[in-house]
Amino acid sequence: AAGVIQSPRHLIKEKRETATLKCYPIPRHDTVYWYQQGPGQDPQFLISFYEKMQSDKGSIPDRFSAQQFSDYHSELNMSSLELGDSALYFCASSEQGANTEAFFGQGTRLTVV
Amino acid sequence: AQKITQTQPGMFVQEKEAVTLDCTYDTSDPSYGLFWYKQPSSGEMIFLIYQGSYDQQNATEGRYSLNFQKARKSANLVISASQLGDSAMYFCAMREIGSARQLTFGSGTQLTVLP
Repeated sequence: AAGVIQSPRHLIKEKRETATLKCYPIPRHDTVYWYQQGPGQDPQFLISFYEKMQSDKGSIPDRFSAQQFSDYHSELNMSSLELGDSALYFCASSEQGANTEAFFGQGTRLTVV
Repeated sequence: AQKITQTQPGMFVQEKEAVTLDCTYDTSDPSYGLFWYKQPSSGEMIFLIYQGSYDQQNATEGRYSLNFQKARKSANLVISASQLGDSAMYFCAMREIGSARQLTFGSGTQLTVLP
């Protein structure tokens, strides 16, 4: 069965650079979420999209932005990277409704040096 | 207030034994979903089991079962016949219909299965 695909799997950037993370949700899933997981932390919600519109915003820095495209894939754009942005970034997708499973991609490990 | 509480930072279990990982939650939404995820050291977040707030029966998926006690707001994960490969971090999470369906995670429980 198709899963959530994230790319790249690993990314190394220097401070003040920009990064773009991509997420391809499971087909027919209409909701995409982005999460950030720092070392030893639980995942923190950044932002979500439902039917290509932003549906909720969490602790996403102003330096970050995201969008969902017509083919439902989503991109997280991160600018002016800081050392503290080093983390595992997950994308998850689900169908509409609270009572449906949410599946995660394998994550993108971003290291800012 | 914490929405999801996992009180066991670390747990040990002997191979082939059963183990229960605790999770309590707090919500005023009548409709919500409860999830358990496994995160091995490689980092991926693996979906294990799901329980809906309106489900009458406890969810089961192979060796995983969810002990759902709605009145007590608890959703403990039971792993039967533990295997060495079960060693991982386990996260409990909740999604409320009133929060745009985002998942809120607990702090996790690091499970170590001993040979």
